[in-house]
Amino acid sequence: SQQGEEDPQALSIQEGENATMNCSYKTSINNLQWYRQNSGRGLVHLILIRSNEREKHSGRLRVTLDTSKKSSSLLITASRAADTASYFCATVPTDSWGKLQFGAGTQVVVTP
Amino acid sequence: KAGVTQTPRYLIKTRGQQVTLSCSPISGHRSVSWYQQTPGQGLQFLFEYFSETQRNKGNFPGRFSGRQFSNSRSEMNVSTLELGDSALYLCASSFLDSFSYEQYFGPGTRLTVT
Repeated sequence: SQQGEEDPQALSIQEGENATMNCSYKTSINNLQWYRQNSGRGLVHLILIRSNEREKHSGRLRVTLDTSKKSSSLLITASRAADTASYFCATVPTDSWGKLQFGAGTQVVVTP
Repeated sequence: KAGVTQTPRYLIKTRGQQVTLSCSPISGHRSVSWYQQTPGQGLQFLFEYFSETQRNKGNFPGRFSGRQFSNSRSEMNVSTLELGDSALYLCASSFLDSFSYEQYFGPGTRLTVT
C-alpha cells in the first residue's frame, strides 16, 4: 500500500506559470522527499525536508511541510517545458529506516 | 562520479522462468534499495541492503529475493515469474540511509513477462 497521496493526479499549465501539488501521508515520518520522473525513466531527487522543518527552497522549488496535518506541498515557480514530468512525494516512516514510501504521483505537463 | 547503473535495461522473460537484475551503486554508497513500479500499484519498496545485510523488506512474496556484495553491488532475483511481475525495477543507492540522505536512482530495468 502507498503511504502518500498526491493531489492533483494531473496538472496542465503553460510555461511561466506556477505549479503546485500536494501530498498527504498517514504515519509519523523522519523526512519527506520529492522526486521527479521523466517518462518511465529513473527518479531524480529534488528536495528533502526533515520533520522538524517547515519550509525549504531549492532554485525554483519551494516545499512546505505541515506535520500536524500530515501534508506537504511542492511549488514550482516560473515553470518550463522541461519541467514536464511526474512528481512523487516519498516519506521515510519513523519505524522504517531505509524504506521510502511513495505516493501515486502528480503528472505535470507544461506547454510552451 | 558515475551514477547508479542497472543491467540489463530491458528484459523479456516467459512465465515460470527466473530472472536476476543487477545494480551498481554510486561509489562510496553502502545502502541499496530496490523498488517495483507498475501502472496499477505505483512505486513499491521491495527491500534495502546495507553492508551486505537486508535491513528492510517490503510486502512481496518470497519469490523476490536479493543480496548485496562486499563492494555494495546488489542483485535481485525473481523466481517463477508471473505476468504481474512485469514492471520497471528501480534500484537506488544512498551514502548511509534514506533517513539523512537522499536516494539516487538508476534508470531501471524494464521487465516484461509473457
